[in-house]
Amino acid sequence: SAVISQKPSRDICQRGTSLTIQCQVDSQVTMMFWYRQQPGQSLTLIATANQGSEATYESGFVIDKFPISRPNLTFSTLTVSNMSPEDSSIYLCSVAFGGELFFGEGSRLTVL
Amino acid sequence: AQKVTQAQTEISVVEKEDVTLDCVYETRDTTYYLFWYKQPPSGELVFLIRRNSFDEQNEISGRYSWNFQKSTSSFNFTITASQVVDSAVYFCALSEGASGTYKYIFGTGTRLKVLA
Repeated sequence: SAVISQKPSRDICQRGTSLTIQCQVDSQVTMMFWYRQQPGQSLTLIATANQGSEATYESGFVIDKFPISRPNLTFSTLTVSNMSPEDSSIYLCSVAFGGELFFGEGSRLTVL
Repeated sequence: AQKVTQAQTEISVVEKEDVTLDCVYETRDTTYYLFWYKQPPSGELVFLIRRNSFDEQNEISGRYSWNFQKSTSSFNFTITASQVVDSAVYFCALSEGASGTYKYIFGTGTRLKVLA
């Protein structure tokens, strides 16, 4: 299995600011995934992050708004840039390990 | 392209009733994986099952059972003798690719309410 730690667990942010979410995994993994879960909604994949290459973004998500870093096989960051209230959501880091998708506890962002 | 459809937005049952949650998927790959996850009110995502595209055997785990039918592209989940603790949102998910480590796409979820 894989244990994933995310920071911060929650934050309240002001409109127009940016916040970086950190994700640390206790095992080396090739792919890391970032999801967004808006209130009462499903999980939407933002991007897939491979170590040593640029992240692959899903339709509707762009690098300028959600820049991602993947400096090594156990760590990744997601930045939510120039936030607006519509970005209020839970952001989840996840990894596929042994065929199962493991999730961090999530980072609950509230943008005022 | 991958797609997962969970047509049931919300289901309410009385405790001890059986309930089936539907999942229909779309994929062009011959190798893929299907999953069910549970998200209780506390928010964490709990893995329930993984099934690969070459294994159509139904599976039973306690009160849970899964019916995988490639002919109808469905992977339905049944809870027998439901309990209040089963109240949660249940997500079906699909991952394409031989290794199963490609991106995972989730359905919209079914909220199950089990009433005492």
